[in-house]
Amino acid sequence: NAGVTQTPKFQVLKTGQSMTLQCAQDMNHEYMSWYRQDPGMGLRLIHYSVGAGITDQGEVPNGYNVSRSTTEDFPLRLLLAAPSQTSVYFCASSGDRGGTGELFFGEGSRLTVL
Amino acid sequence: DAKTTQPNSMESNEEEPVHLPCNHSTISGTDYIHWYRQLPSQGPEYVIHGLTSNVNNRMASLAIAEDRKSSTLILHRATLRDAAVYYCILRGHTGKLIFGQGTTLQVKP
Repeated sequence: NAGVTQTPKFQVLKTGQSMTLQCAQDMNHEYMSWYRQDPGMGLRLIHYSVGAGITDQGEVPNGYNVSRSTTEDFPLRLLLAAPSQTSVYFCASSGDRGGTGELFFGEGSRLTVL
Repeated sequence: DAKTTQPNSMESNEEEPVHLPCNHSTISGTDYIHWYRQLPSQGPEYVIHGLTSNVNNRMASLAIAEDRKSSTLILHRATLRDAAVYYCILRGHTGKLIFGQGTTLQVKP
């Protein structure tokens, strides 16, 4: 049981490049979400999903796309990377859609956009 | 989404109890009160959550006011490993967890 797995752990991009941050969980969780954390700041919600085929925007969705084709995977796509997207990205999952369940977080993916 | 208010920072001495307060005056009836902590250079870690009644687990206790407009996370004996940023968050029927700035807890030996 690996929990929430994020890849890659580190990535350097040039402005304008695209990439996908991968997130997979093996706990059959319905709820998954992506956060970004800038230095010295709290986490901000980018996108979330309450089940396969269902996604919604969080606080800071611009510049990011998501899809949820399976229960296990929730990739985050950056289509045209910008230096403002330099951050640490965390994926999290929960066993329920509502308020009762705890969130399990991945170890984070550190992205630098030059 | 209902917001929470926490002090920016708190200090504690090792081996002493710590009470971390949180105000959530706009909480709705279906919002659960969640607490997470984040150690330096790590992802957030679940601590405890509750709805109306006080809750205890191996990490901490959660005391919820009768009107649910405030809560307190209690660490019974702080250790140096408890130094972290503690986040109090309301999680409602949408499932979203919106983080605030949290309370930075410093534990002095």
